[in-house]
Amino acid sequence: GNSVTQMEGPVTLSEEAFLTINCTYTATGYPSLFWYVQYPGEGLQLLLKATKADDKGSNKGFEATYRKETTSFHLEKGSVQVSDSAVYFCALSDRGNFNKFYFGSGTKLNVKP
Amino acid sequence: EAQVTQNPRYLITVTGKKLTVTCSQNMNHEYMSWYRQDPGLGLRQIYYSMNVEVTDKGDVPEGYKVSRKEKRNFPLILESPSPNQTSLYFCASSRQGNSGNTIYFGEGSWLTVV
Repeated sequence: GNSVTQMEGPVTLSEEAFLTINCTYTATGYPSLFWYVQYPGEGLQLLLKATKADDKGSNKGFEATYRKETTSFHLEKGSVQVSDSAVYFCALSDRGNFNKFYFGSGTKLNVKP
Repeated sequence: EAQVTQNPRYLITVTGKKLTVTCSQNMNHEYMSWYRQDPGLGLRQIYYSMNVEVTDKGDVPEGYKVSRKEKRNFPLILESPSPNQTSLYFCASSRQGNSGNTIYFGEGSWLTVV
């Protein structure tokens, strides 16, 4: 079946530190992969996505590369800001049903000034 | 502005008292779904709808009902709420079918059942 596993949080970093949030997946076939972000009190927003192997999604300084060989989609940012504090969800959509999404459990990021 | 709107945003209710959480989207999306978010479990899909009058169970449908009489609306019904349905609920919508479709989420509805 399909599933997403991401590192548990919370992750606490100082401003300008390097961020990595690990995400691995299992899927039957070739899914599309996503990172969603949830700011306090809000719904989830798409951060970035990749639809095929070796694609790199990027947005707002965040990046993630679709690695089929390691079934991973790790989120990275070179220099985090306090405003990046949020919960980050890794997700995949099932290629047999593109509207069916599987979410990881979320990783809370706290960035301190 | 593209929006998914849920109401109410916050609700405290008692066990067994029927309630409905409404959801409306203005993007003419075919696909709509409901998720619940619980600590350590991420988002789990409750029900989804591929189009008007087409609904199906997600991963955790027990205790919930939905209907899709119009394309823009997808209400979630709790006929007899129980405390284990205390959760944060999200409605979402997207276009049908293509790889890499983006899901648009509402702002969430905090439901407490006492």
